[in-house]
Amino acid sequence: QSVLTQPPSASGTPGQRVTISCSGSSSNIGSNTVNWYQQLPGTAPKLLIYSDNQRPSGVPDRFSGSKSGTSASLAISGLQSEDEADYYCAAWDDSLNGGVFGGGTKLTVL
Amino acid sequence: QLQLQESGPGLVKPSETLSLTCSISGGSISSRSYYWGWIRQPPGKGLEWIGSIYYSGSPYYNPSLKSRVTISVDTSKNQFSLKLSSVTAADTAVYYCASIVVPTAILIDWGQGTLVTVSS
Repeated sequence: QSVLTQPPSASGTPGQRVTISCSGSSSNIGSNTVNWYQQLPGTAPKLLIYSDNQRPSGVPDRFSGSKSGTSASLAISGLQSEDEADYYCAAWDDSLNGGVFGGGTKLTVL
Repeated sequence: QLQLQESGPGLVKPSETLSLTCSISGGSISSRSYYWGWIRQPPGKGLEWIGSIYYSGSPYYNPSLKSRVTISVDTSKNQFSLKLSSVTAADTAVYYCASIVVPTAILIDWGQGTLVTVSS
Protein backbone atom coordinates (compact mmCIF):
# COMPACT_ATOMS: atom_id res chain seq x y z
CA GLN A 1 0.00 0.00 0.00
CA SER A 2 1.62 3.23 -1.19
CA VAL A 3 1.53 6.40 0.89
CA LEU A 4 0.43 8.45 -2.12
CA THR A 5 -2.62 7.28 -4.07
CA GLN A 6 -2.75 7.16 -7.86
CA PRO A 7 -5.20 5.45 -10.21
CA PRO A 8 -3.63 2.21 -11.48
CA SER A 9 -4.41 2.99 -15.10
CA ALA A 10 -5.31 5.74 -17.53
CA SER A 11 -5.80 5.86 -21.26
CA GLY A 12 -6.40 8.18 -24.16
CA THR A 13 -6.20 8.44 -27.91
CA PRO A 14 -3.51 10.35 -29.80
CA GLY A 15 -4.02 14.09 -29.51
CA GLN A 16 -6.20 13.87 -26.40
CA ARG A 17 -5.51 15.40 -23.01
CA VAL A 18 -5.10 13.03 -20.07
CA THR A 19 -4.75 13.79 -16.37
CA ILE A 20 -3.35 11.58 -13.63
CA SER A 21 -4.16 12.33 -10.02
CA CYS A 22 -2.05 11.86 -6.89
CA SER A 23 -3.59 12.09 -3.44
CA GLY A 24 -1.66 12.42 -0.20
CA SER A 25 -1.89 14.00 3.21
CA SER A 26 -0.81 17.02 5.20
CA SER A 27 2.55 15.43 6.02
CA ASN A 28 3.59 14.96 2.40
CA ILE A 29 1.82 16.76 -0.45
CA GLY A 30 0.20 19.20 1.93
CA SER A 31 3.54 20.51 3.16
CA ASN A 32 6.08 19.61 0.47
CA THR A 33 6.39 19.88 -3.27
CA VAL A 34 5.46 17.08 -5.64
CA ASN A 35 7.62 15.50 -8.30
CA TRP A 36 6.57 13.27 -11.18
CA TYR A 37 8.56 10.54 -12.87
CA GLN A 38 8.06 8.78 -16.19
CA GLN A 39 9.18 5.17 -16.56
CA LEU A 40 9.27 3.81 -20.07
CA PRO A 41 9.17 0.00 -20.38
CA GLY A 42 12.40 -1.63 -19.26
CA THR A 43 14.10 1.62 -18.27
CA ALA A 44 14.87 3.59 -15.13
CA PRO A 45 12.45 6.33 -14.08
CA LYS A 46 13.12 9.82 -15.38
CA LEU A 47 12.28 13.12 -13.72
CA LEU A 48 9.33 14.64 -15.60
CA ILE A 49 8.00 17.41 -13.35
CA TYR A 50 9.57 18.85 -10.18
CA SER A 51 8.47 21.30 -7.52
CA ASP A 52 4.80 20.80 -8.39
CA ASN A 53 4.89 22.36 -11.86
CA GLN A 54 8.43 22.81 -13.18
CA ARG A 55 9.75 20.97 -16.23
CA PRO A 56 13.40 19.92 -16.48
CA SER A 57 15.20 20.93 -19.61
CA GLY A 58 14.16 18.74 -22.52
CA VAL A 59 10.71 17.80 -21.25
CA PRO A 60 8.05 18.92 -23.73
CA ASP A 61 5.57 21.56 -22.60
CA ARG A 62 2.81 19.04 -23.30
CA PHE A 63 3.52 17.83 -19.75
CA SER A 64 2.32 20.00 -16.88
CA GLY A 65 1.83 19.62 -13.16
CA SER A 66 -0.39 21.25 -10.59
CA LYS A 67 -1.16 20.96 -6.88
CA SER A 68 -3.97 21.95 -4.57
CA GLY A 69 -3.99 21.14 -0.89
CA THR A 70 -3.09 17.48 -0.44
CA SER A 71 -3.60 16.48 -4.08
CA ALA A 72 -1.59 16.90 -7.24
CA SER A 73 -2.16 16.22 -10.91
CA LEU A 74 -0.10 15.52 -14.00
CA ALA A 75 -1.61 16.57 -17.31
CA ILE A 76 -0.46 15.40 -20.71
CA SER A 77 -1.87 17.24 -23.70
CA GLY A 78 -1.54 16.28 -27.35
CA LEU A 79 -1.07 12.65 -26.30
CA GLN A 80 1.48 10.73 -28.37
CA SER A 81 2.21 7.02 -28.66
CA GLU A 82 5.61 7.51 -27.05
CA ASP A 83 3.91 8.77 -23.90
CA GLU A 84 2.83 5.21 -23.14
CA ALA A 85 4.62 4.56 -19.85
CA ASP A 86 4.21 4.29 -16.09
CA TYR A 87 3.94 7.57 -14.19
CA TYR A 88 4.79 8.02 -10.52
CA CYS A 89 4.22 10.93 -8.16
CA ALA A 90 6.54 11.44 -5.21
CA ALA A 91 7.06 13.80 -2.30
CA TRP A 92 8.93 14.11 0.98
CA ASP A 93 6.96 13.00 4.02
CA ASP A 94 7.65 14.91 7.22
CA SER A 95 6.15 12.22 9.45
CA LEU A 96 8.12 9.36 7.91
CA ASN A 97 11.16 11.60 7.41
CA GLY A 98 11.69 10.14 3.99
CA GLY A 99 10.52 10.13 0.40
CA VAL A 100 7.26 8.48 -0.58
CA PHE A 101 5.89 7.40 -3.95
CA GLY A 102 2.49 6.81 -5.43
CA GLY A 103 1.70 3.32 -6.65
CA GLY A 104 2.11 4.37 -10.26
CA THR A 105 -0.30 4.86 -13.16
CA LYS A 106 0.05 2.89 -16.36
CA LEU A 107 -0.84 5.13 -19.28
CA THR A 108 -2.06 3.43 -22.44
CA VAL A 109 -2.32 5.28 -25.73
CA LEU A 110 -5.16 3.65 -27.64
CA GLN B 1 24.35 15.60 -15.38
CA LEU B 2 25.75 12.88 -13.19
CA GLN B 3 26.18 9.27 -14.23
CA LEU B 4 25.42 6.64 -11.62
CA GLN B 5 26.09 2.92 -11.91
CA GLU B 6 24.95 0.19 -9.54
CA SER B 7 27.06 -2.92 -9.01
CA GLY B 8 26.80 -6.03 -6.89
CA PRO B 9 25.65 -9.65 -6.87
CA GLY B 10 22.52 -10.44 -8.84
CA LEU B 11 21.65 -13.40 -6.64
CA VAL B 12 21.51 -13.49 -2.85
CA LYS B 13 20.44 -16.37 -0.63
CA PRO B 14 17.59 -15.97 1.86
CA SER B 15 18.70 -14.71 5.31
CA GLU B 16 21.94 -13.31 3.87
CA THR B 17 22.92 -9.67 3.34
CA LEU B 18 22.37 -7.86 0.05
CA SER B 19 25.22 -5.48 -0.77
CA LEU B 20 25.23 -2.95 -3.60
CA THR B 21 27.50 -0.08 -4.56
CA CYS B 22 26.70 3.00 -6.60
CA SER B 23 29.61 4.61 -8.45
CA ILE B 24 29.33 8.27 -9.38
CA SER B 25 30.94 9.92 -12.39
CA GLY B 26 30.68 13.46 -13.67
CA GLY B 27 30.66 14.89 -10.18
CA SER B 28 31.74 14.45 -6.58
CA ILE B 29 29.92 12.59 -3.86
CA SER B 30 31.08 15.39 -1.56
CA SER B 31 29.05 17.93 -3.51
CA ARG B 32 26.89 20.14 -1.30
CA SER B 33 24.21 20.04 -4.01
CA TYR B 34 23.12 16.43 -3.61
CA TYR B 35 21.94 13.75 -1.28
CA TRP B 36 22.36 10.15 -2.44
CA GLY B 37 19.55 7.63 -2.38
CA TRP B 38 18.46 4.07 -3.01
CA ILE B 39 15.08 3.11 -4.48
CA ARG B 40 13.80 -0.34 -5.36
CA GLN B 41 11.10 -1.79 -7.59
CA PRO B 42 9.84 -5.38 -7.20
CA PRO B 43 9.04 -7.06 -10.52
CA GLY B 44 5.80 -5.66 -11.93
CA LYS B 45 5.29 -3.33 -8.96
CA GLY B 46 5.85 0.28 -7.99
CA LEU B 47 8.78 2.24 -6.58
CA GLU B 48 9.85 2.18 -2.94
CA TRP B 49 12.19 4.72 -1.31
CA ILE B 50 14.76 2.77 0.70
CA GLY B 51 16.79 5.61 2.17
CA SER B 52 19.16 8.48 1.52
CA ILE B 53 22.36 10.02 2.85
CA TYR B 54 24.31 13.26 2.64
CA TYR B 55 28.07 12.90 2.27
CA SER B 56 28.70 14.30 5.73
CA GLY B 57 25.43 13.55 7.50
CA SER B 58 23.33 10.83 9.00
CA PRO B 59 21.30 8.58 6.72
CA TYR B 60 17.51 8.53 6.54
CA TYR B 61 15.83 5.14 6.19
CA ASN B 62 12.34 4.00 5.23
CA PRO B 63 10.78 3.03 8.59
CA SER B 64 9.58 -0.27 7.13
CA LEU B 65 13.18 -1.27 6.33
CA LYS B 66 15.08 0.65 9.00
CA SER B 67 16.02 -2.35 11.13
CA ARG B 68 17.72 -4.06 8.17
CA VAL B 69 19.21 -1.22 6.10
CA THR B 70 22.57 0.51 6.17
CA ILE B 71 23.56 3.22 3.68
CA SER B 72 27.10 4.59 3.74
CA VAL B 73 29.40 6.86 1.75
CA ASP B 74 32.99 6.26 0.61
CA THR B 75 34.34 9.64 -0.45
CA SER B 76 37.72 8.19 -1.44
CA LYS B 77 36.06 6.03 -4.09
CA ASN B 78 33.25 8.46 -4.99
CA GLN B 79 30.75 5.74 -4.14
CA PHE B 80 27.91 5.04 -1.77
CA SER B 81 26.59 1.68 -0.69
CA LEU B 82 23.51 -0.20 0.40
CA LYS B 83 23.38 -3.15 2.74
CA LEU B 84 20.11 -4.96 3.42
CA SER B 85 20.29 -7.79 5.93
CA SER B 86 18.17 -10.90 6.50
CA VAL B 87 16.74 -10.80 3.00
CA THR B 88 13.72 -12.80 1.87
CA ALA B 89 12.06 -13.36 -1.49
CA ALA B 90 10.10 -10.15 -0.87
CA ASP B 91 13.37 -8.22 -1.29
CA THR B 92 13.70 -9.38 -4.90
CA ALA B 93 13.65 -6.18 -6.93
CA VAL B 94 15.45 -3.87 -9.30
CA TYR B 95 17.56 -1.59 -7.10
CA TYR B 96 18.27 1.94 -8.31
CA CYS B 97 20.66 4.52 -6.96
CA ALA B 98 19.93 8.20 -7.54
CA SER B 99 21.12 11.71 -6.82
CA ILE B 100 18.72 13.92 -4.87
CA VAL B 101 18.76 17.69 -5.10
CA VAL B 102 19.44 19.38 -1.74
CA PRO B 103 17.25 20.38 0.10
CA THR B 104 14.42 18.70 -1.83
CA ALA B 105 13.24 15.19 -2.62
CA ILE B 106 13.93 15.58 -6.34
CA LEU B 107 15.57 12.43 -7.71
CA ILE B 108 17.35 14.05 -10.58
CA ASP B 109 19.76 11.43 -11.93
CA TRP B 110 19.23 7.67 -11.78
CA GLY B 111 21.38 4.63 -12.34
CA GLN B 112 20.15 2.07 -14.83
CA GLY B 113 19.15 -0.28 -12.03
CA THR B 114 20.30 -3.75 -11.10
CA LEU B 115 18.08 -6.78 -10.54
CA VAL B 116 18.74 -8.62 -7.30
CA THR B 117 17.02 -11.96 -6.87
CA VAL B 118 16.72 -13.60 -3.47
CA SER B 119 16.67 -17.34 -3.90
CA SER B 120 18.42 -20.41 -2.61
